[in-house]
Amino acid sequence: GAVVSQHPSWVICKSGTSVKIECRSLDFQATTMFWYRQFPKQSLMLMATSNEGSKATYEQGVEKDKFLINHASLTLSTLTVTSAHPEDSSFYICSGSRREGPGELFFGEGSRLTVL
Amino acid sequence: QKEVEQDPGPLSVPEGAIVSLNCTYSNSAFQYFMWYRQYSRKGPELLMYTYSSGNKEDGRFTAQVDKSSKYISLFIRDSQPSDSATYLCAMSGGGSYIPTFGRGTSLIVHP
Repeated sequence: GAVVSQHPSWVICKSGTSVKIECRSLDFQATTMFWYRQFPKQSLMLMATSNEGSKATYEQGVEKDKFLINHASLTLSTLTVTSAHPEDSSFYICSGSRREGPGELFFGEGSRLTVL
Repeated sequence: QKEVEQDPGPLSVPEGAIVSLNCTYSNSAFQYFMWYRQYSRKGPELLMYTYSSGNKEDGRFTAQVDKSSKYISLFIRDSQPSDSATYLCAMSGGGSYIPTFGRGTSLIVHP
C-alpha cells in the first residue's frame, strides 16, 4: 500500500509557459503533501508543505507566486510552475503523509522538467 | 554543522558483500528514522521506518538507531547489483513532523 502517482514523468516546455504537475495518493488519504526539488547528485530540497484545504507553507527562498501549490482534496495535490525559465529545469518530486505528525513519507515517481 | 550528515560516496562493493550505510545527526529531539532507496531518475522508495532506538530487520535489510550516539545505520546483507542506488536517511521529531534528509550515499554493487 501507500502508492503515490505523479505525472507527467517528464515534460519539456518553452520559456515563459506554465507547467502543471499532478500528485495523487492512490490508496491512502494524504493529510499532508510535500513538494521537493532535486538537483543532480544532490539531496531533496523541500519547497513547500501543504495540508488539504489550506494554503501551502513555502520554504524560505521559494517563490510562492512562481510555484503554485494546490491541495484541493486528500488525494490530489498539484504544483504549477508559472512562467517557467531554464533555471526552473529540475526534478520535482511530491510525497504524501498518511497522518498529521511525524511519520514516513511516500514519494511519487518524480517529474523531470526541462525548460527550453 | 548540518543537521544530518551522510557520506555521499560512492561506495563500491562486490556482489554478496555486507553493506553498511550510516548517518549522524545533531538534533537530539529526532525520534523517527527512515531509510529510502532512490534509483536514478526515480522518486525515493521507503525501505525502513523506525521509532526511537533499537534494531529493525526486514529481509536483507537491518536498520539500527543509537540515539545516545546520534547515529543510525542501514545494513544490507548479501548485496545484489540491483541494490545499486542512492540511499537517503531521513529523520523527524521534536515538534516538527517535516523530515530532514541526508544528502544520500551512492552505492554500487558490482557483479
